[in-house]
Amino acid sequence: QLQLQESGPGLVKSSETLSLTCTVSGGSITSGSYYWGWVRQPPGKGLEWIGIIHDTGRTSYKPSLKSRLTISVDTSKNQFSLKLSSVTAADTAVYYCARHSGIGGTTTGWFDPWGQGTLVTVSS
Amino acid sequence: DIVMTQSPDSLAVSLGERATINCKSSQSVLYTSNKKNYLAWYQQKPGQPPKLLIYWASTRESGVPDRFSGSGSGTDFTLTISSLQAEDVAVYYCQQYYNTPLTFGGGTKVEIK
Repeated sequence: QLQLQESGPGLVKSSETLSLTCTVSGGSITSGSYYWGWVRQPPGKGLEWIGIIHDTGRTSYKPSLKSRLTISVDTSKNQFSLKLSSVTAADTAVYYCARHSGIGGTTTGWFDPWGQGTLVTVSS
Repeated sequence: DIVMTQSPDSLAVSLGERATINCKSSQSVLYTSNKKNYLAWYQQKPGQPPKLLIYWASTRESGVPDRFSGSGSGTDFTLTISSLQAEDVAVYYCQQYYNTPLTFGGGTKVEIK
């Protein structure tokens, strides 16, 4: 079945760039209407949508993160990636990648399945 | 942005009893052209990623036990666990996908009384 796995540094210094990659296995990232997305969860808190990308490169970002955020896709590696620049302690969170249902090829939809998540801590 | 508000923040229910979680959106998530409510529910157990339970407000994901049900329309939604089992201890989140930015409720923690 489809599986997603996040990878990247667990510790990032304040003001630097957080970079994560999600590797998709058990299926192709170029599978029609699906998007691929990132959601984060600060320790002990709720879920926050970050953004999504289609294999064509079309993206949708959370507006408050847009100026610092880049999500990209590498179809040859069946991966998609997140880069968040100028990080602060507020960006400390577990970062999840997930497949987005992309209803009718649009940016609306739910997330399923999810990766296990990776904790990224921003240090000063 | 559509704000999703869940209540209660937490609840304790006896095994075999009913658990009811509420989710309210700041604007309707009912798309009138197709009469569908753009709302999903997730379950997150400790140390695990969220798991999709329900989409379109009331459609159970494949493999989800039928003791989980979703209801509601417009701005008010409910997730019901008809007979709480020990394995249902988790935090439950609603999510609207009516428009972007996609937004989640703050979560409801379900425990055993």
